[in-house]
Amino acid sequence: AQKITQTQPGMFVQEKEAVTLDCTYDTSDPSYGLFWYKQPSSGEMIFLIYQGSYDQQNATEGRYSLNFQKARKSANLVISASQLGDSAMYFCAMREGPEGFQKLVFGTGTRLLVSP
Amino acid sequence: DTGVSQDPRHKITKRGQNVTFRCDPISEHNRLYWYRQTLGQGPEFLTYFQNEAQLEKSRLLSDRFSAERPKGSFSTLEIQRTEQGDSAMYLCASSGDSRTYGYTFGSGTRLTVV
Repeated sequence: AQKITQTQPGMFVQEKEAVTLDCTYDTSDPSYGLFWYKQPSSGEMIFLIYQGSYDQQNATEGRYSLNFQKARKSANLVISASQLGDSAMYFCAMREGPEGFQKLVFGTGTRLLVSP
Repeated sequence: DTGVSQDPRHKITKRGQNVTFRCDPISEHNRLYWYRQTLGQGPEFLTYFQNEAQLEKSRLLSDRFSAERPKGSFSTLEIQRTEQGDSAMYLCASSGDSRTYGYTFGSGTRLTVV
């Protein structure tokens, strides 16, 4: 079974608008972490934001926020005020188990295109 | 802190040849990971080192693949008798102690087997 599901292969947004990238996950482990990474065409994976399963507040990092709905097992990434440089692939990933050995399971990604 | 370095960035090889990739993690990071990413997919875990010990290997890591991390510093990933299905981006990442939530990834080595 898919552990991380990203149902949007591609998303389009105009510059300065907000966009939500969807991610649902599946785990029976009570301790897990959720990550979002950005992958530009150059190939490197850039860490954006993290949400722990026990965190009470939704994570925020600058223009990025994570809409964490634990009961629905969703961890959507919200990018506010999109910029042209946000055009990239975005991957949702999950770590299961306690912190330490942080093996991540990734989704198939969403390609975001920001237009002027 | 110069980040995670991977070498080479690109490698084209003929089927059947052996290739070796190198990863230099962030110096204070004791954990090192290799992932493989094929076109249109997210990265898939291959193997994990804590210091010099290889603690976990994916079943994706066939016996043609071997990874080492001598002295707990840089790591190498060798693929013997390459096949066309080995064509992929090979990503290395490192992380520190358990309070460091995110990996730092390198820019990857793109392997093309012809």
